[in-house]
Amino acid sequence: DGGITQSPKYLFRKEGQNVTLSCEQNLNHDAMYWYRQDPGQGLRLIYYSQIVNDFQKGDIAEGYSVSREKKESFPLTVTSAQKNPTAFYLCASRQGAKTILGYTFGSGTRLTVV
Amino acid sequence: QKEVEQDPGPLSVPEGAIVSLNCTYSNSAFQYFMWYRQYSRKGPELLMYTYSSGNKEDGRFTAQVDKSSKYISLFIRDSQPSDSATYLCAMGDRGSTLGRLYFGRGTQLTVWP
Repeated sequence: DGGITQSPKYLFRKEGQNVTLSCEQNLNHDAMYWYRQDPGQGLRLIYYSQIVNDFQKGDIAEGYSVSREKKESFPLTVTSAQKNPTAFYLCASRQGAKTILGYTFGSGTRLTVV
Repeated sequence: QKEVEQDPGPLSVPEGAIVSLNCTYSNSAFQYFMWYRQYSRKGPELLMYTYSSGNKEDGRFTAQVDKSSKYISLFIRDSQPSDSATYLCAMGDRGSTLGRLYFGRGTQLTVWP
């Protein structure tokens, strides 16, 4: 079955650590996105990528970094510069930036700072 | 002003009730509108999709778009406890080169037996 796989499901980070969240899709989608979800705040866009080796900052990119070396993969690194990283992180993909179809989401990674 | 406004609720209704969920938006360029359902600790899943104005029905769910008022709605008839989830509206502009969707904050719905 085609879909998006996010791992791990739960992640704990110590203060000052960098952690990387994995996102892999087998839908052959061109565009991929990372969102952060906090209670009562909806989804906020962190980074997005329309094609391999290209990505753009979203609304809250500070303290995060991404790479897009393969079409299937779009990992997100939460760096120590991110002051409040505890949140639910969602990866999504879409057939192409110009499509009018919606996103397919992964099942999310819950990151907690300890 | 946020691009998309959605009352976060929470909304609590008895089984069998008709539920109305709403969003307003400010960007007149938005042309396609979606509703996602998100169960606790899961990723959102696409529930309904509408292009431009009008109504769309799928079983117990009806999506309405009024572009003149910049207002969209999702109606759930004969609500069931399994409908208990957070409902997110989302919308986008087909002419945008960015391809991003803009989301509401989500409305938390509980349907009690």
